[in-house]
Amino acid sequence: GIQVEQSPPDLILQEGANSTLRCNFSDSVNNLQWFHQNPWGQLINLFYIPSGTKQNGRLSATTVATERYSLLYISSSQTTDSGVYFCAVEIRYSGAGSYQLTFGKGTKLSVIP
Amino acid sequence: DTGVSQDPRHKITKRGQNVTFRCDPISEHNRLYWYRQTLGQGPEFLTYFQNEAQLEKSRLLSDRFSAERPKGSFSTLEIQRTEQGDSAMYLCASKAETPYNSPLHFGNGTRLTVT
Repeated sequence: GIQVEQSPPDLILQEGANSTLRCNFSDSVNNLQWFHQNPWGQLINLFYIPSGTKQNGRLSATTVATERYSLLYISSSQTTDSGVYFCAVEIRYSGAGSYQLTFGKGTKLSVIP
Repeated sequence: DTGVSQDPRHKITKRGQNVTFRCDPISEHNRLYWYRQTLGQGPEFLTYFQNEAQLEKSRLLSDRFSAERPKGSFSTLEIQRTEQGDSAMYLCASKAETPYNSPLHFGNGTRLTVT
């Protein structure tokens, strides 16, 4: 099956700093999503981004589908940004008709005051 | 639209007992998914429904696990004869069939602890 690798696994930032999280995947994908899992376990959609660049406030994401990677940028980090960031990709298995997301292991971000 | 709803939020059970979880997807979403997440890992796919039809099951879904979506709306996930290894967060997600490129939305999960 498809492999999804995220880096770095852990990241500690001073409040106000910027960061870049990376997601590499091993096959062509139909869908790529970035999620933030907060300390209470809730998975929050950040971006649906199979290709191109999107921005939402202090967060932006870029996916280069032809080179099989995606980047999540966090600028001016805040303590509320702490949690685990997951990249998840979806491929459509020929004939199966299903659209399951395969997740990476995540990047654990800690933002300290 | 209140999002994907899961019940209960937490469940503690003794080994060997049966448990059942419920998921209410976003109302217009016909695709429903169950995932399992253990500590330090990303969510892993368990099974998927399109309306009431269960179209795919992961090899993670042993014969002690059964999922239903009888009327194509809410879904239940039952685990029989629970084992300690079943302790995990069970996540439900839904998405619309159209447009094709629509995102997956997750509920808050049910955290299962088997003692």
